[in-house]
Amino acid sequence: RKEVEQDPGPFNVPEGATVAFNCTYSNSASQSFFWYRQDCRKEPKLLMSVYSSGNEDGRFTAQLNRASQYISLLIRDSKLSDSATYLCVAFLGGGYQKVTFGTGTKLQVIP
Amino acid sequence: GAVVSQHPSRVICKSGTSVKIECRSLDFQATTMFWYRQFPKKSLMLMATSNEGSKATYEQGVEKDKFLINHASLTLSTLTVTSAHPEDSSFYICSVPGSGQETQYFGPGTRLLVL
Repeated sequence: RKEVEQDPGPFNVPEGATVAFNCTYSNSASQSFFWYRQDCRKEPKLLMSVYSSGNEDGRFTAQLNRASQYISLLIRDSKLSDSATYLCVAFLGGGYQKVTFGTGTKLQVIP
Repeated sequence: GAVVSQHPSRVICKSGTSVKIECRSLDFQATTMFWYRQFPKKSLMLMATSNEGSKATYEQGVEKDKFLINHASLTLSTLTVTSAHPEDSSFYICSVPGSGQETQYFGPGTRLLVL
């Protein structure tokens, strides 16, 4: 089983739609979680952190459920510029300092 | 966040040659840098952790004699792919951890094509 699993997609959605991505992680000792965005043939860039209490940044909302080991990202009012691959990331601290990336979910927003 | 550069951005080489990739932290002193490899439509896979002033820590399955890492200063780490083969063709990305060690700031990556 992969340490961080995501639905690879692609998710093809019209402009203005709301889309949700899910991610599960297997290591219950993981301490922190993030969503990164990776454009085609570019490096990943941090989108937002994920907290149990939820984290909202404009049109983006991230949520963590530690009991289910589940992370989500919700994008409202999709823009064409949101088209990218979204990577779910788990950080294992405690001296390991290990970051594990999911394979990513590809989003294509259609005009 | 940290600004990270990589050089070269892309390289094409013949099989059997060695290729050196540089990763620079432009505005942040980094005692640790990470090297990742990403194959098409695959996730980033951590290859090794580069440690300034000491040996790199390699992930399981990564050959340390093939992927030589040198963390020469607090702003520079280099990855040398020795005796490159076509299967080494990939996207190599370095990163610098943020102040909390949790987030990472990535370089723009180096695309390596071995013919």
